[in-house]
Amino acid sequence: GENVEQHPSTLSVQEGDSAVIKCTYSDSASNYFPWYKQELGKRPQLIIDIRSNVGEKKDQRIAVTLNKTAKHFSLHITETQPEDSAVYFCAASDYKLSFGAGTTVTVRA
Amino acid sequence: NAGVTQTPKFRVLKTGQSMTLLCAQDMNHEYMYWYRQDPGMGLRLIHYSVGEGTTAKGEVPDGYNVSRLKKQNFLLGLESAAPSQTSVYFCASSYSLEDTQYFGPGTRLTVL
Repeated sequence: GENVEQHPSTLSVQEGDSAVIKCTYSDSASNYFPWYKQELGKRPQLIIDIRSNVGEKKDQRIAVTLNKTAKHFSLHITETQPEDSAVYFCAASDYKLSFGAGTTVTVRA
Repeated sequence: NAGVTQTPKFRVLKTGQSMTLLCAQDMNHEYMYWYRQDPGMGLRLIHYSVGEGTTAKGEVPDGYNVSRLKKQNFLLGLESAAPSQTSVYFCASSYSLEDTQYFGPGTRLTVL
């Protein structure tokens, strides 16, 4: 089955700086790569996703890049704000979704 | 439109007791999932369903059973609870496998 590794496990950034989270996956058949954000005590919510026929996707301050050859994808958050503080999960889907272990992002004011 | 709901929100069980968690969705989604979330381990898939009357095993199915008798409901059962099943359980649903999964609010289960 699919194995997704996510780094770093924790990330502290100054407000206004950028944050980057990286994930690798094992199954070359995976075609769908979503990112979920989970605030403390809340449910995970999709923030952005990318499919294998696209190399990059952007939505305001959030962007995701995908390198299928190297089997890795990354989340980039620019101009970080306090409300970006949360746990972020990457995931990869072959016939079901497999999640990374999560990255706790703290934005320092 | 309530989205995905779960009952109960909290539960404490003694080892060996049984219980059923209920998940309901009103988005007419075919796919439904049960995950458990433990610190430092992300979300792990327990069981999932690709339509009414179907179920399939996920990554960590042992000790759990599921049923999908109605399209809008997905039940997760623990027949004989163990302390290792202490976790937060999330239900989710989606239109297809490669589509946004909408999560419920979670159930915090403690097994003593």
